[in-house]
Amino acid sequence: DVKVTQSSRYLVKRTGEKVFLECVQDMDHENMFWYRQDPGLGLRLIYFSYDVKMKEKGDIPEGYSVSREKKERFSLILESASTNQTSMYLCASSLSRVDTGELFFGEGSRLTVL
Amino acid sequence: RKEVEQDPGPFNVPEGATVAFNCTYSNSASQSFFWYRQDCRKEPKLLMSVYSSGNEDGRFTAQLNRASQYISLLIRDSKLSDSATYLCVVNKNTDKLIFGTGTRLQVFP
Repeated sequence: DVKVTQSSRYLVKRTGEKVFLECVQDMDHENMFWYRQDPGLGLRLIYFSYDVKMKEKGDIPEGYSVSREKKERFSLILESASTNQTSMYLCASSLSRVDTGELFFGEGSRLTVL
Repeated sequence: RKEVEQDPGPFNVPEGATVAFNCTYSNSASQSFFWYRQDCRKEPKLLMSVYSSGNEDGRFTAQLNRASQYISLLIRDSKLSDSATYLCVVNKNTDKLIFGTGTRLQVFP
């Protein structure tokens, strides 16, 4: 079974803090993604990566950055957390491009910014 | 207009009932369509892809209507374990998927 592991299930941070969300997948997938999920807005793509050291902006990249130094690991960074970044963050990976293949999600990281 | 629209529900149905959800999409160039299932406080998981000719997987049937730009999910003989949120997903291009906000289904005994 594909396993996508997000390091923190629940985090509480203060405004202005730097936040790291880590994601590791164990199936040698090329493609990794970060989404956030908010009530009434669905899942929105923040950043994605199709290869090591490669990153592409999604639909809502402002206020976020990412790092992919190893194939299995994709990190989401909030340089200076703000209250409007309070959300559920979901990491996903896929073997093929998203229009043809299945996305495998981690369990999510619920971030609260005070 | 949202790129993918779903009725949020909830749809409350008794066990054994047949229930159908529709989802409309705005991008006529979309080629790939999926239904994902998300249990409460869990991650989304792929339920089924939706093919042009329609497809069936056990009690679940998915249909695509390109002319009217909607996809549907039919669940027959509903089980308590079918209670979840069903997410309609459409590709924007080869890189991006657009997720609907989901339709919540509650099956009661």
